[in-house]
Amino acid sequence: EDQVTQSPEALRLQEGESSSLNCSYTVSGLRGLFWYRQDPGKGPEFLFTLYSAGEEKEKERLKATLTKKESFLHITAPKPEDSATYLCAVQMRTSGSRLTFGEGTQLTVNP
Amino acid sequence: DGGITQSPKYLFRKEGQNVTLSCEQNLNHDAMYWYRQDPGQGLRLIYYSQIVNDFQKGDIAEGYSVSREKKESFPLTVTSAQKNPTAFYLCASSSTGENEKLFFGSGTQLSVL
Repeated sequence: EDQVTQSPEALRLQEGESSSLNCSYTVSGLRGLFWYRQDPGKGPEFLFTLYSAGEEKEKERLKATLTKKESFLHITAPKPEDSATYLCAVQMRTSGSRLTFGEGTQLTVNP
Repeated sequence: DGGITQSPKYLFRKEGQNVTLSCEQNLNHDAMYWYRQDPGQGLRLIYYSQIVNDFQKGDIAEGYSVSREKKESFPLTVTSAQKNPTAFYLCASSSTGENEKLFFGSGTQLSVL
């Protein structure tokens, strides 16, 4: 059965304290892995797409990496405005353009 | 501005009542999707449509119905058969090429009176 698991469920950091979020997947025929950010009461906002193992992408304080079994979202020197829920999703070769989401990691960055 | 518009922002349903959530996009995307999000959980796919006049069931389609009569519009009806409708509903759209990302609307919070 295709599965996407994110850990931890919640993470609390002090401003400037770097850390990583994990997304592990067991799917057959991965086409792409997507990271989204979601603020409370709003729709998810696209961050990155990763297509193959070894690929890395960066945006400001965020860097996403991909292996054959998991993806990491590294947050360097976070700020309070980075507080949000981060969602990971996979797109399979057999499922067209639809995405299967993990349950998300709720990140809180304290000043 | 191009984007996806969902309305209303908040909706209340009485028992036995059908309600319809609106989703309109002006991104010229062929594919549209409806997801449901429960508190502290990820998104689960209800229905999706890759082309006008065609749609497919997602993972949790029971108690819901959709139509796709226009490229820009993909309304979702929550029927009385859906016994636990309270959730945050998200509409999304994308192009249909490989690795195309989904763009999301701002969501509708549905609650039961």
